[in-house]
Amino acid sequence: GAVVSQHPSRVICKSGTSVKIECRSLDFQATTMFWYRQFPKQSLMLMATSNEGSKATYEQGVEKDKFLINHASLTLSTLTVTSAHPEDSSFYICSARRGWMVDTEAFFGQGTRLTVV
Amino acid sequence: SQELEQSPQSLIVQEGKNLTINCTSSKTLYGLYWYKQKYGEGLIFLMMLQKGGEEKSHEKITAKLDEKKQQSSLHITASQPSHAGIYLCGATIRGGTASKLTFGTGTRLQVTL
Repeated sequence: GAVVSQHPSRVICKSGTSVKIECRSLDFQATTMFWYRQFPKQSLMLMATSNEGSKATYEQGVEKDKFLINHASLTLSTLTVTSAHPEDSSFYICSARRGWMVDTEAFFGQGTRLTVV
Repeated sequence: SQELEQSPQSLIVQEGKNLTINCTSSKTLYGLYWYKQKYGEGLIFLMMLQKGGEEKSHEKITAKLDEKKQQSSLHITASQPSHAGIYLCGATIRGGTASKLTFGTGTRLQVTL
């Protein structure tokens, strides 16, 4: 079946530095990928929709300059947390769907646990 | 506001018992998805429902979508410790971005011996 790979699975960074998280669709082309954030004991919160070849669409309340998204190819989207602070520590997870159809399964990466110290 | 509400928020059941988790939407859905997650890990796809009245089963898990496509239930028969985890319903909402998948509040399931 289709697989979405996310890297790294864990990262610890110093406050003020930037961290890049990669999301790859391994055996299909994904025109759209999604980035979620999950706080402890809470559900997934959609941050933004990553569109190949165009600007990402951010959900209300998500800072686009803080969370930079690049979707340069049909198999890769990246999320960069810029000038990270401890409050950015969280579990980030990406998702990709095969095509635009709403009746297709959404595949998820393994997630990235970010800790900002 | 949360478009998808799940109940209960948490559940503790004895091994061998049946249980049901509900997911309710304030809007009509295109599609309803059920996932399982171990905390801090990725999501495991369970089932996708599209048609009103649809019901699907996989091993001991059955999911149903009501005729109005606003409510879904996930039923586990004869629960086992391996069923423990967080169950999330996700949906694509009619009237929203077609492919955008948003999630419910989640249900944390514990299965005791």
